[in-house]
Amino acid sequence: GENVEQHPSTLSVQEGDSAVIKCTYSDSASNYFPWYKQELGKRPQLIIDIRSNVGEKKDQRIAVTLNKTAKHFSLHITETQPEDSAVYFCAASQVFIGANNLFFGTGTRLTVIP
Amino acid sequence: NAGVMQNPRHLVRRRGQEARLRCSPMKGHSHVYWYRQLPEEGLKFMVYLQKENIIDESGMPKERFSAEFPKEGPSILRIQQVVRGDSAAYFCASSPPMGVEAKNIQYFGAGTRLSVL
Repeated sequence: GENVEQHPSTLSVQEGDSAVIKCTYSDSASNYFPWYKQELGKRPQLIIDIRSNVGEKKDQRIAVTLNKTAKHFSLHITETQPEDSAVYFCAASQVFIGANNLFFGTGTRLTVIP
Repeated sequence: NAGVMQNPRHLVRRRGQEARLRCSPMKGHSHVYWYRQLPEEGLKFMVYLQKENIIDESGMPKERFSAEFPKEGPSILRIQQVVRGDSAAYFCASSPPMGVEAKNIQYFGAGTRLSVL
């Protein structure tokens, strides 16, 4: 089955700096890679996603890059703000009929220091 | 659209009792997923259901756990004879039918935090 690894497990940055979280996956058939943000005691919320036919996607201060050959993808947050502090999870999925479950990484606890 | 609704938010059970967790998907969504999250850990897939069908239960423990998504009503995750190791947050997610973008955007509920005494 799919195995998703995520690094680092914790990350502290100064407000205004950039944060980068990296994930690798094992199954070359995976073709959909979402990122979720989870605040303490809250539900995971989708912040950005990318399909395997795209190498990069950006949404304001958040961007995701995907390297299919190396089987890794990264989340980039620029100009970090205190409200970006949360746990971030990457995930991988094979999107086709009958097998859509998400395999999650173990999470990165991001702390943005004001 | 009320979003994915889970209840109860918190559930306390004694060892050996049964736990029933409910999930109502977003309006128009026909796919439901259950995930378990242990403290300080990521989410682990348990089961994927469509109306009246279990599509993938590869993440479900072989014993004591079952799930259903009936034609009418919410999806139910049932844990029989709970043990302390079942204490966790259980999240439900739903997704719409596959669209032209072939994405699988899953929207999560707020979770049920199960505590087994």
